[in-house]
Amino acid sequence: DAGVIQSPRHEVTEMGQEVTLRCKPISGHNSLFWYRQTMMRGLELLIYFNNNVPIDDSGMPEDRFSAKMPNASFSTLKIQPSEPRDSAVYFCASSLRDSRNTIYFGEGSWLTVV
Amino acid sequence: AQSVTQPDIHITVSEGASLELRCNYSYGATPYLFWYVQSPGQGLQLLLKYFSGDTLVQGIKGFEAEFKRSQSSFNLRKPSVHWSDAAEYFCAVGAPPLTGGGNKLTFGTGTQLKVEL
Repeated sequence: DAGVIQSPRHEVTEMGQEVTLRCKPISGHNSLFWYRQTMMRGLELLIYFNNNVPIDDSGMPEDRFSAKMPNASFSTLKIQPSEPRDSAVYFCASSLRDSRNTIYFGEGSWLTVV
Repeated sequence: AQSVTQPDIHITVSEGASLELRCNYSYGATPYLFWYVQSPGQGLQLLLKYFSGDTLVQGIKGFEAEFKRSQSSFNLRKPSVHWSDAAEYFCAVGAPPLTGGGNKLTFGTGTQLKVEL
């Protein structure tokens, strides 16, 4: 079975540009999570969806960040405008809608904003 | 709110030696506890998890962890480390969200394991 698929794997962009990260969760999973990993702050939960509905976005840093999940098989995380401090690895993860189920992570999108 | 502390940022062990990575959690109820491993440039892979029952849980790659409620700990162990175990290890605590749904995890800051040959 395919795991969580993220794209792009690597992106380098200039400050001020819009960045869109994409995620395809594991088929059948109905909870989706976006995490950000940095050296300074470790792994932070940005937002999570349940059945395509955002449940908790308290981790989203500021209004420059937005996330959508238009259907069960696709989600985006958008940063507009991007800033150098947004440079990080962004992970998407998914699980079945049960709190005892394992969360599976994608391989991450490595973002560098210059 | 739940939190996780991994007191060791870096650990170096010799290949073949035993390993113990420490994890302490803070959570008001019975926690769901996890250990993940991250190799360089890769995502996180689940090693093992604890929900209830036997406090000693077995995972993949020969790892095990023991839940000790009295110490609020969930330490990861391996009897004999292999060079391929060099990676970063994350402990996480999960809490059932009020609205139901997927497990919302809070991660520790990670422990970087180096294995000397």
